[in-house]
Amino acid sequence: ILNVEQSPQSLHVQEGDSTNFTCSFPSSNFYALHWYRWETAKSPEALFVMTLNGDEKKKGRISATLNTKEGYSYLYIKGSQPEDSATYLCAFLAQAGTALIFGKGTTLSVSS
Amino acid sequence: GAGVSQSPSNKVTEKGKDVELRCDPISGHTALYWYRQSLGQGLEFLIYFQGNSAPDKSGLPSDRFSAERTGGSVSTLTIQRTQQEDSAVYLCASSPSGGLLTDTQYFGPGTRLTVL
Repeated sequence: ILNVEQSPQSLHVQEGDSTNFTCSFPSSNFYALHWYRWETAKSPEALFVMTLNGDEKKKGRISATLNTKEGYSYLYIKGSQPEDSATYLCAFLAQAGTALIFGKGTTLSVSS
Repeated sequence: GAGVSQSPSNKVTEKGKDVELRCDPISGHTALYWYRQSLGQGLEFLIYFQGNSAPDKSGLPSDRFSAERTGGSVSTLTIQRTQQEDSAVYLCASSPSGGLLTDTQYFGPGTRLTVL
């Protein structure tokens, strides 16, 4: 059974803090890793799709790195803002896989 | 343009009843996915449609669950004889260009199903 773990499950930071969280996935048969942001009462929104070991992606104050050999990805948020409050999901795709396997997400709360 | 839409947004039903959930994908997207998120769990894959190919039903949890996609567009997820463990948020997503799984998936707002 392929397992995707995200940590921490939740965290609370102050506006302006930088933060990061982790997605762990099987290091064998890796094909792609997706990151999504899911705000309350909205649809999950794609952030990044990463396929190459060492890949780094950036979108505004949010960035992500990928290590396929050890099976983890980090998501970083620089200078957190209240609008960053959401659940951040990662999803793993194995080679020859037909479905994304999602983690349970990290719920971020940013106070002003 | 319009995103993925789902209806109803909320559905409360009694145990044993059948329910139908609808998904309208983004126009032109060839791939369509159904997921569900039960309380405290991650998103769970249910079924995947790609163009005119036979759907991948490997994620359906039981034979009470079925889905159709008519004309390569609208999809309906049907749950027969609902059980309390079917209570979840059901999400639909679509993606363009042949449904490569490195494609971004665009999600609808979900249907929250509560089975009493």
